Order: sequence, then C-alpha cells, then structure tokens
Amino acid sequence: NAGVTQTPKFRILKIGQSMTLQCTQDMNHNYMYWYRQDPGMGLKLIYYSVGAGITDKGEVPNGYNVSRSTTEDFPLRLELAAPSQTSVYFCASSYSLNSPLHFGNGTRLTVT
Amino acid sequence: KNEVEQSPQNLTAQEGEFITINCSYSVGISALHWLQQHPGGGIVSLFMLSSGKKKHGRLIATINIQEKHSSLHITASHPRDSAVYICAVGQGGSEKLVFGKGTKLTVNP
Repeated sequence: NAGVTQTPKFRILKIGQSMTLQCTQDMNHNYMYWYRQDPGMGLKLIYYSVGAGITDKGEVPNGYNVSRSTTEDFPLRLELAAPSQTSVYFCASSYSLNSPLHFGNGTRLTVT
Repeated sequence: KNEVEQSPQNLTAQEGEFITINCSYSVGISALHWLQQHPGGGIVSLFMLSSGKKKHGRLIATINIQEKHSSLHITASHPRDSAVYICAVGQGGSEKLVFGKGTKLTVNP
C-alpha cells in the first residue's frame, strides 16, 4: 500500500493564481481531512469528508474548496491565492472517526 | 486559551535519558492521539487511546480521563527520537480533532 499520497511537495504561487493540491489514499478509508500547519501553531482543519460525495467545513475553510467524487481522492482547490495561504498543507485519512490517522508527506505552499 | 496544552514546548535530553511529554485538555474527549513529526515534515501516528496505557517499543502513552491529562514517555532516548511530538484530541461525536502546538524534542548523542 502506498498509504496517503500528496502532490506536489512544493509550490510557489503568485497572488491571485489558483491551484489544486492532490490527495489520494489506497486504504479504503472513509474519512479524509485537509489540514494546514503554520509556524508555531497546531494543525488547523480546513475541510473534511466522511465518505464519497460528502464534505464539510473545518475551522479555516475560507479561500478553499474540496470535492470527494471517489473514496480514494480528496483534492483541495485554492482559488485566488493570497499570502495568508502560505503554509504547509497535510492530507490525512482514517478508517473511522476514532481510528489512527495516516498523513501524507505534506505540500509546502508559498504565495508571493 | 488553547483547548489542548502541551508541555514543555521544547525539550533537550542526552541519549539514554527517560523523556516525558505532557498533554492537558479542557474538553470531553472520545480519543487522544499522539503523533510524531520528523524534521523532514512527515507526520506519523504513534498512539490512539481513550483510557489506560499503551506501549510500543520504547514508547509508552498514558491517559487519565478524570484529570484530562495524557503523557508520552520515551525510555532510553536516542538521537533518532528527535522530532516534534503532537497531541490531538477528538471530541465526542465530532470529526474535528483539536491539536496541541507540539513539543520539540532534541536528543543529543
């Protein structure tokens, strides 16, 4: 199993550009999450999904969109990138609500 | 005040020392997670527990539900244990985990 795969690893965007962060898992997990990690801060939940076709907002959803058309894939879309979205983004998955989390390797995004 | 507080924020130890990292939380929880983030940035789940104690190799995690406190212990610490250790709590019925800010551990040879 590859686990949770995130791409790209690094990206630099100009203000106002858009991009999609890809996340796929091959463990047949129902729950998938997108987090951002800012320096010195704990992980913050952006969006999550409890299954294909179901998504919901987390703590910091503004400026982002997600979709979950399949169990495996949970892409995160940034529209009109802003410097405040400079962060490290992690995708994670779990089988159920209280199961261990599996994380991707992260995407380091810089918006200038 | 953050709902999940970790202490200490930074910890430096000599190889072989016994390490304790603490996590206190202020909400009722369904489960508590201990995660390890390596210097390269990857995050690995170490433990998930809702009561008692779990052990894996040199790592031990305990939780006291009444006191709303958990500890992560590392016995015979090694430089490869150097990482940021993160505590996260899952609130009953919620999909949303609340994360502590992490404890940065450095183990010197």
